[in-house]
Amino acid sequence: GAVVSQHPSRVICKSGTSVKIECRSLDFQATTMFWYRQFPKQSLMLMATSNEGSKATYEQGVEKDKFLINHASLTLSTLTVTSAHPEDSSFYICSAVGGLSSYEQYFGPGTRLTVT
Amino acid sequence: GEDVEQSLFLSVREGDSSVINCTYTDSSSTYLYWYKQEPGAGLQLLTYIFSNMDMKQDQRLTVLLNKKDKHLSLRIADTQTGDSAIYFCAESKTGTASKLTFGTGTRLQVTL
Repeated sequence: GAVVSQHPSRVICKSGTSVKIECRSLDFQATTMFWYRQFPKQSLMLMATSNEGSKATYEQGVEKDKFLINHASLTLSTLTVTSAHPEDSSFYICSAVGGLSSYEQYFGPGTRLTVT
Repeated sequence: GEDVEQSLFLSVREGDSSVINCTYTDSSSTYLYWYKQEPGAGLQLLTYIFSNMDMKQDQRLTVLLNKKDKHLSLRIADTQTGDSAIYFCAESKTGTASKLTFGTGTRLQVTL
């Protein structure tokens, strides 16, 4: 199956700093990538949809100036959490759609962000 | 709005069958998915079914869809300890085939 990677897998940062998370599709070109956030023991909450070469579409309630998304190529999307605060601590998961079908969504392994 | 509901917890004995249930509210759902999440990991796509199908079987996995009742189930035959994980159902709609709405997740515990 298609492989999606995320980097880093875990990151701890100080309050007020910015953190960049990368999502890569390793063996296919991803026309669309999604960014999700997952709180402990909860479901995934879609944050934004990212299409290569265009601006991301954010879900209601997600601050686009705080969560900057860049989909610069067909294999890479980045999520930058700006001026991070402890309440931004969460598990961030990306997914990618592309390859042979547009209805199969493949997920990365997730990034655990802890803001101290 | 869209709602996808699952029971929170299921415990089964190794070797038995597991049945995880999911209900959804949006009748325009086109694709329905089952994902598996192990602790601290991302989601693994297990299987999916189109809304014009009633059943799909893939090795130990059987998906049943009752479109009238908006009910989806995942049956795992001969459940193993390695099947212990959280299982999410998800749905997407016609025209936005990739945007997923996830259920609340069911934690499957397999005991010896």
